[in-house]
Amino acid sequence: DVKVTQSSRYLVKRTGEKVFLECVQDMDHENMFWYRQDPGLGLRLIYFSYDVKMKEKGDIPEGYSVSREKKERFSLILESASTNQTSMYLCASSLMGLNYEQYFGPGTRLTVT
Amino acid sequence: AQKITQTQPGMFVQEKEAVTLDCTYDTSDPSYGLFWYKQPSSGEMIFLIYQGSYDQQNATEGRYSLNFQKARKSANLVISASQLGDSAMYFCAMSPASGGSYIPTFGRGTSLIVHP
Repeated sequence: DVKVTQSSRYLVKRTGEKVFLECVQDMDHENMFWYRQDPGLGLRLIYFSYDVKMKEKGDIPEGYSVSREKKERFSLILESASTNQTSMYLCASSLMGLNYEQYFGPGTRLTVT
Repeated sequence: AQKITQTQPGMFVQEKEAVTLDCTYDTSDPSYGLFWYKQPSSGEMIFLIYQGSYDQQNATEGRYSLNFQKARKSANLVISASQLGDSAMYFCAMSPASGGSYIPTFGRGTSLIVHP
């Protein structure tokens, strides 16, 4: 079974802290994604990566950065957390191609106080 | 830019009845893929069904079928014989083929509640 794991299910951080969210997939997928999910807004793409060390901005990259040093691992970094980054963060991976579905991790619910 | 519209924020259905969840999309790409995902209260997104823009027949997966009307740019999900476990959020997504990156855009979702 494809497995996408995220480092934490729940995280509470203070404003201004640097926050790392880790995502690991075990199926050798080329693509990896970070989404943010807020009620009524669906899933919004923050960043995606189609290869090691490659990254592309999604729809809402401001305030975030990413790192992909190994194919199986994709990290989301909040350089200086703010309260408006309180949200559910979902990581996903997929093979490269039109008809390949995404596999999602369980999500990290981040609260910034 | 791609756009996905799910006009039904919430839907209710009686157990064992069929339900249709609406999805319309807007794209200028001739080749694209359409996906539906389910998100139960546990939070994990689960892939349900896929339809390619050049597929001649509507996709089916068990109790799920996709009513694909290309000219109308709609890709509605039909769940037959609803079960209590179908209560969840449902998201429609579309991936264009242009650029080779296949990055999906998601709709805002529809909350489905199945009544006993």
